[in-house]
Amino acid sequence: AQSVTQLDSHVSVSEGTPVLLRCNYSSSYSPSLFWYVQHPNKGLQLLLKYTSAATLVKGINGFEAEFKKSETSFHLTKPSAHMSDAAEYFCVVSDTSSASKIIFGSGTRLSIRP
Amino acid sequence: EAQVTQNPRYLITVTGKKLTVTCSQNMNHEYMSWYRQDPGLGLRQIYYSMNVEVTDKGDVPEGYKVSRKEKRNFPLILESPSPNQTSLYFCASIQGGGNQPQHFGDGTRLSIL
Repeated sequence: AQSVTQLDSHVSVSEGTPVLLRCNYSSSYSPSLFWYVQHPNKGLQLLLKYTSAATLVKGINGFEAEFKKSETSFHLTKPSAHMSDAAEYFCVVSDTSSASKIIFGSGTRLSIRP
Repeated sequence: EAQVTQNPRYLITVTGKKLTVTCSQNMNHEYMSWYRQDPGLGLRQIYYSMNVEVTDKGDVPEGYKVSRKEKRNFPLILESPSPNQTSLYFCASIQGGGNQPQHFGDGTRLSIL
């Protein structure tokens, strides 16, 4: 069985400060992990993915995430927040060998204060 | 341009009136899926299809039907819509296995009165 827990439903940071969005997962398979971003009234866009290669994954717009198997975590970070980062972020886990089970976290809304 | 196209984008309708939301992808992807998005719940999978004529239930299939008669299309059918199906719906496709990212449509906002 697989599950994903996004530990914060809402995160608020000041522009120019670091961003940390937390994600914990459980999986009985070899997991692939993804972060997607959803801007208001838009579809979902891939930020980055982990698929058993390097544990530190770099994505678009300066975001990165580190896969920590011992902690079953895949937290998303960015060194300096920008106003355009305000959006909803989803952590997703799937079985690497099959797309038959894909689980979304409940989402984290990121707000950026001027 | 590679894309997943959903129609309609917005629909307001009444309880019990059958409706279909279409989804089409032009990337020759084998896997397609439907999700609903509700506040605080993230995206929950309704149905998915691994290939033509192969469909399976996701986590919230009640009240929905799908079909996959051809690779590019994966319509979502609400035979008798009810107000609890008011939601934002997304179609997605993947080429390959679970280690590949999903390509999402722009969403369909359904309101069932």
